[in-house]
Amino acid sequence: AQSVTQLGSHVSVSEGALVLLRCNYSSSVPPYLFWYVQYPNQGLQLLLKYTTGATLVKGINGFEAEFKKSETSFHLTKPSAHMSDAAEYFCAVSEQYNTGFQKLVFGTGTRLLVSP
Amino acid sequence: EAGVAQSPRYKIIEKRQSVAFWCNPISGHATLYWYQQILGQGPKLLIQFQNNGVVDDSQLPKDRFSAERLKGVDSTLKIQPAKLEDSAVYLCASRDPLTGPDTQYFGPGTRLTVL
Repeated sequence: AQSVTQLGSHVSVSEGALVLLRCNYSSSVPPYLFWYVQYPNQGLQLLLKYTTGATLVKGINGFEAEFKKSETSFHLTKPSAHMSDAAEYFCAVSEQYNTGFQKLVFGTGTRLLVSP
Repeated sequence: EAGVAQSPRYKIIEKRQSVAFWCNPISGHATLYWYQQILGQGPKLLIQFQNNGVVDDSQLPKDRFSAERLKGVDSTLKIQPAKLEDSAVYLCASRDPLTGPDTQYFGPGTRLTVL
């Protein structure tokens, strides 16, 4: 079974600083990887995803992530944090059924705190 | 296009009571998911439907949880009887299988508090 590990349940940065949220995955097959963001009292919103092709993936709100197979990592970055980036971020891997269907397996999440 | 709708947004019940949640997916999305998100954790899949058929319910506590999607559109998730540990946010998501690998669209969730 596939799994995801997010290092750090909380990450604090100052406004304008680099954001780095870490995600490592375990998968026996080429993975599909996702980052979702969850604002308070809202559902999850897709930030970006990696399926095949270019390993550097750009998403919404200036976020990007790089798939590194050798490190089994898919870390999320943003060059300059904004106050509105404060939220919970979830990394997920897509697990395949034998039937061809897929499901997402989520990490435990990282809460990003942005201070003025 | 309209997003995934869920109701109610909040529900408070006492243990051993019953509760039901409703989800209306994005129009045309054949795949529907119910997740349980306990405070401080990531969402955990409870059940997945393809149209009105169940694809995966291996994580659904079937002694107390049930779900249906009779006409292949909207869905209900029921808990009977509720336990304290069922306090969580219940998220519904939908996906169009034809649009590629697993881009799921999430509703706002129903926050359940069991007292």
